[in-house]
Amino acid sequence: TQLLEQSPQFLSIQEGENLTVYCNSSSVFSSLQWYRQEPGEGPVLLVTVVTGGEVKKLKRLTFQFGDARKDSSLHITAAQPGDTGLYLCAGEGNNFNKFYFGSGTKLNVKP
Amino acid sequence: DAGVIQSPRHEVTEMGQEVTLRCKPISGHNSLFWYRQTMMRGLELLIYFNNNVPIDDSGMPEDRFSAKMPNASFSTLKIQPSEPRDSAVYFCASSPDRGRNGELFFGEGSRLTVL
Repeated sequence: TQLLEQSPQFLSIQEGENLTVYCNSSSVFSSLQWYRQEPGEGPVLLVTVVTGGEVKKLKRLTFQFGDARKDSSLHITAAQPGDTGLYLCAGEGNNFNKFYFGSGTKLNVKP
Repeated sequence: DAGVIQSPRHEVTEMGQEVTLRCKPISGHNSLFWYRQTMMRGLELLIYFNNNVPIDDSGMPEDRFSAKMPNASFSTLKIQPSEPRDSAVYFCASSPDRGRNGELFFGEGSRLTVL
């Protein structure tokens, strides 16, 4: 059983399109992180959100933490082929540094 | 600066054999994590250490799995005896502090195939 459910599982879009991926849970997290993983490599941190309702922007990526700190979304504007990868959300539980990872959204951006 | 270093990158072994995976965390990081990634179950935390001490091993699947961290610059994950269902990519990650919101720095993973 996954504590964090991500949707959609797979997404294939054309370059220039916008997209949103979701990370949902019934649990409250003290913080939530988004990672991107490319084939043959480990995940790399994109952002950490801490406060309920917080919005962070990283160039064309916008991250939002739900008010109740149970869910999060990642919105990509004008997707590019370089955005292709597996996007993982990770929630930090009550125990320091214990992160629960979601199932991931596999994004493919076609040129 | 060197990142987290894992070895071997790939290992193919037969059921029943012992497997040892190795990890060198980033110098100065005091938390170390072992994760397992499969298509079915995603990324699962197996165990994590803080200052070389195991803090939480509740994710270790069963007694066949063991992990050690004899010093701040080295950790091992051992599977004995290995089974086909252990086939996965095993990641080691380190983090610079034990405070909240710590970033995890992952290695490139060790892909294990048990025949």
